[in-house]
Amino acid sequence: SQTIHQWPATLVQPVGSPLSLECTVEGTSNPNLYWYRQAAGRGLQLLFYSVGIGQISSEVPQNLSASRPQDRQFILSSKKLLLSDSGFYLCAWRKNPNTEAFFGQGTRLTVV
Amino acid sequence: GQQLNQSPQSMFIQEGEDVSMNCTSSSIFNTWLWYKQDPGEGPVLLIALYKAGELTSNGRLTAQFGITRKDSFLNISASIPSDVGIYFCAGHRGAQKLVFGQGTRLTINP
Repeated sequence: SQTIHQWPATLVQPVGSPLSLECTVEGTSNPNLYWYRQAAGRGLQLLFYSVGIGQISSEVPQNLSASRPQDRQFILSSKKLLLSDSGFYLCAWRKNPNTEAFFGQGTRLTVV
Repeated sequence: GQQLNQSPQSMFIQEGEDVSMNCTSSSIFNTWLWYKQDPGEGPVLLIALYKAGELTSNGRLTAQFGITRKDSFLNISASIPSDVGIYFCAGHRGAQKLVFGQGTRLTINP
């Protein structure tokens, strides 16, 4: 069966520090991968998606970037965090664009 | 862009009551999905709908894909304490983006 792992679960980082969140999927190949951000009590905002290694699409201009160095690995990064980058970050995967998405456990990021 | 209007935003009910929430869109969708999110966790898929008019059940949960393809509802019968959480609808038209509603926060009074 397929599983998705996301870490760390929680992170407290100072303003201006770098960020690296990692997501990996097991049990499938060539998944579509997604990074979402969820503000407290709000819905999910799509940040990036990837249909293959090295292929990244950005949905909103921001202080973050994404990379897909391997087929089942998706990384969310920032060179210098802002206070407004705080939030709950979720990684998700889909087998193809017409199927349901499955989410990781999320990373709670607090920028102080 | 595509938007989903989910209502109600929050619900306060008594244990044992039935629950109904819905999502509407200005655009046609090919797929409707319903998720539940517990505090501090990622959303978990409850029901997936792929055909207009489709009515699907998962235990006490029932969801329908509207015939116009612009709406969907989720019903929960005989609510129990573990139903507490935030419920999200999501839809897409076959493109890469999966659009989410703003969520319905369900609170159950014992």
